[in-house]
Amino acid sequence: EDQVTQSPEALRLQEGESSSLNCSYTVSGLRGLFWYRQDPGKGPEFLFTLYSAGEEKEKERLKATLTKKESFLHITAPKPEDSATYLCAAYNTDKLIFGTGTRLQVFP
Amino acid sequence: DTAVSQTPKYLVTQMGNDKSIKCEQNLGHDTMYWYKQDSKKFLKIMFSYNNKELIINETVPNRFSPKSPDKAHLNLHINSLELGDSAVYFCASSPDRKNSPLHFGNGTRLTVT
Repeated sequence: EDQVTQSPEALRLQEGESSSLNCSYTVSGLRGLFWYRQDPGKGPEFLFTLYSAGEEKEKERLKATLTKKESFLHITAPKPEDSATYLCAAYNTDKLIFGTGTRLQVFP
Repeated sequence: DTAVSQTPKYLVTQMGNDKSIKCEQNLGHDTMYWYKQDSKKFLKIMFSYNNKELIINETVPNRFSPKSPDKAHLNLHINSLELGDSAVYFCASSPDRKNSPLHFGNGTRLTVT
């Protein structure tokens, strides 16, 4: 069965303390790996799509990478406004399968 | 300039009642979705419509009935509400049925008492 697993469930960082979030996937016929950010009371907001192993995408302090089994979201020198839940999702042949997310808190 | 809008934002109702959630997108997308997010933040697809045609129906109880009057609207009607239906329901849209990013609404928090 297709599955997406994220770790850690929660992460607390000091402002400026870089770290990485992991997304492991077991999906047949992967057609894309997506990262979303979700703030409390809001819907998920699209960040990146990665389509093939070795691909990398960057946006401000975030960089997403993809291998054949997992994806990483690297956060460099995070700020308190980066606090949110980060969701990973894998697109198989017909639908998007989400992980349960990593809740990130960045303290000043 | 809201892209995907849902109403209502909050819905509190008693067991056994029937309720509806409405969704509209102004992005010109062909495909729309309903997702359910449980208390552990897990997002699971329920339904997907492409140009008003149902294309995904994930083992959802038949108390849930989606309706798409046109490709910009996808409503969700729920009959005989149960306690386990309490969750946040998200509407989303994408340009097509392929692997394009989904754009989500801000959700409807349904509480069944």
